[in-house]
Amino acid sequence: AQTIHQWPVAEIKAVGSPLSLGCTIKGKSSPNLYWYWQATGGTLQQLFYSITVGQVESVVQLNLSASRPKDDQFILSTEKLLLSHSGFYLCAWSLVGGSSYEQYFGPGTRLTVL
Amino acid sequence: QEKVQQSPESLIVPEGAMSSLNCTFSNSASQSIWWYQQHPGKGPEALISIFSNGNKKEGRLTVYLNRASLHVSLHIRDSQPSDSAVYLCAVYGSSGNKLIFGIGTLLSVKP
Repeated sequence: AQTIHQWPVAEIKAVGSPLSLGCTIKGKSSPNLYWYWQATGGTLQQLFYSITVGQVESVVQLNLSASRPKDDQFILSTEKLLLSHSGFYLCAWSLVGGSSYEQYFGPGTRLTVL
Repeated sequence: QEKVQQSPESLIVPEGAMSSLNCTFSNSASQSIWWYQQHPGKGPEALISIFSNGNKKEGRLTVYLNRASLHVSLHIRDSQPSDSAVYLCAVYGSSGNKLIFGIGTLLSVKP
């Protein structure tokens, strides 16, 4: 069975501080990976997607970056947090790309920027 | 820019009733349309998807798609308190890898 793990579960950070959020998928080889962000009361927005190691495409510009250092790992980061970065960050995977395939979401990381 | 709009914002139904949720999308070239369920503080879970005009039924769920009117609806028969959650409509953009979500409908099923 496939499992998706995100870390940390929650984070409180100061404006201007760096951030690194992680996601690992176990039990599935070479999945497509995605990062999403959901502001409180807002729409779930896709930020990045990756179809293979070392290849990441940006969907929305939010002064964040993403990397895929291993087949089963996806990292979201920034060097300087803004207040507007607060929200719920979700990692997801799919078997392959394309609209016919379900995206499976992780449990999420709650980020509060003060 | 492709958009997905959902209505109503919230819906309260009694246990055993039919719940009906609506979604309109802006791009007629959109591919599959998905419905996700999200409980507070959790990641969304896919419920059902549809690609072709018409309807699709899975258990208590029925989804209707009309591409001409850019409208899709989700109907939950015999609604249960455990169905209480936010329901998200999601449409794939023309690029194929971007999934665009609506703001969601908050469904509350009262015992």
